[in-house]
Amino acid sequence: DAGVIQSPRHEVTEMGQEVTLRCKPISGHDYLFWYRQTMMRGLELLIYFNNNVPIDDSGMPEDRFSAKMPNASFSTLKIQPSEPRDSAVYFCASSLVLAGYNEQFFGPGTRLTVL
Amino acid sequence: EDQVTQSPEALRLQEGESSSLNCSYTVSGLRGLFWYRQDPGKGPEFLFTLYSAGEEKEKERLKATLTKKESFLHITAPKPEDSATYLCAVGSGNTGKLIFGQGTTLQVKP
Repeated sequence: DAGVIQSPRHEVTEMGQEVTLRCKPISGHDYLFWYRQTMMRGLELLIYFNNNVPIDDSGMPEDRFSAKMPNASFSTLKIQPSEPRDSAVYFCASSLVLAGYNEQFFGPGTRLTVL
Repeated sequence: EDQVTQSPEALRLQEGESSSLNCSYTVSGLRGLFWYRQDPGKGPEFLFTLYSAGEEKEKERLKATLTKKESFLHITAPKPEDSATYLCAVGSGNTGKLIFGQGTTLQVKP
């Protein structure tokens, strides 16, 4: 298996623009997670899905953030409009069972810079 | 409130100099303690899961142990390639989420 795939790897955009991050989880994994990592706050869970259904989005910082999972092999995280404080590395992870019971496998991340 | 604290924040070792990293936690209903390794520019890579106090796991020069309040990652005779950030996380029985610590950045000099 190729592991969790994310695209793009790097994104530079200007404030106010829409940004879409993409993720393909490991085949057969029922859970998908979106995280954000910054120096100040570390690794934070934004939202997670079970069988394509959003379960907990309490970590999504604002209404500017939205996530979808139209099928078992694809998810997007969208920021509209983007702001400089959104600059961070965004990770997607997947797992076979709920996180608290089994390990999560992370993708390589998307480094987002909002100017 | 579920919380994970790692210490030290940074650790410099000479090659061959053994040491330990600490992960203290408070969580409602522990559903596993996880150790990850993260290299610069990459995603966290899974190392170990520990489920109950007294459990130990080993992989090459790394050994993870667990008590009711903390976990240790022991590094024996480290090599420069062990340099990375080591992240600890706990699975919360309340929320089902992983709560991550801030990490310990390890540098091993030849």
